[in-house]
Amino acid sequence: AQSVTQPDIHITVSEGASLELRCNYSYGATPYLFWYVQSPGQGLQLLLKYFSGDTLVQGIKGFEAEFKRSQSSFNLRKPSVHWSDAAEYFCAVGVTGGGNKLTFGTGTQLKVEL
Amino acid sequence: NAGVTQTPKFQVLKTGQSMTLQCAQDMNHEYMSWYRQDPGMGLRLIHYSVGAGITDQGEVPNGYNVSRSTTEDFPLRLLSAAPSQTSVYFCASSYLSGQPYEQYFGPGTRLTVT
Repeated sequence: AQSVTQPDIHITVSEGASLELRCNYSYGATPYLFWYVQSPGQGLQLLLKYFSGDTLVQGIKGFEAEFKRSQSSFNLRKPSVHWSDAAEYFCAVGVTGGGNKLTFGTGTQLKVEL
Repeated sequence: NAGVTQTPKFQVLKTGQSMTLQCAQDMNHEYMSWYRQDPGMGLRLIHYSVGAGITDQGEVPNGYNVSRSTTEDFPLRLLSAAPSQTSVYFCASSYLSGQPYEQYFGPGTRLTVT
C-alpha cells in the first residue's frame, strides 16, 4: 500500500525567507501527488498537483513543487514567504486504479515570524 | 456555487448518542468522501461514494454509516458515539474518472464526544 511521510511537524520561517516543505512517498509505480493547504478553522485547498510530464509544477499563491522519482520526493517550495502563508500543509498521494482515494501525510505546521 | 457545505459546524455528544453529519455539494460531482482529522495523524478516509446508491469503506469505517440517495448529499451517521470519535470531520467531493481529480473540501464539523 502507498504511504506518505512529512518528516517536519513544525517549521518556522521569517517573512521574506524561502521555504521548502518535505514530502516522501512510498509506491511502486508513478503516483499522483498533491499538496493541500489548510488555514486555521478551514477546510483544505489544493495548491498544486503532479500527474505526469514536467517534474516541476507550479501552483497557486506562488508555490511550486518538484517530483524526484529517484528520491521518492515531492517537496513544496516558495521563494519568499508571506505572513498569510502560515497554515498547515498536507502532501497526499493517489495511485493508478485507486479511483479518487488519497492517502495523506500527517501535515507540516508552518509558522511565519514577522 | 456554494461548493461543499457541512452542518453542523460544532457538536457535542454524550457517549452512546447518535447523530448525522450533513454534507452537500452543488457541483454535480460523482465522488464524495468523508475524512476525519486527528492531531498528528493527518486525514484518514472513513467512507466514500462513487455515485448515488454506491458506497464503500475507507481506512477507518468502524462506528460510521453512510448512504448516498442523491448525487448532492452524503450524510455520515454515528450510531452510538464514543469518545474515540472526537475529531474534526471533513466532507470532500470531486469529479470521477480514471485518475484522481482535485477534491473540494467542506469547512469541517468539530465533534466532541464526552
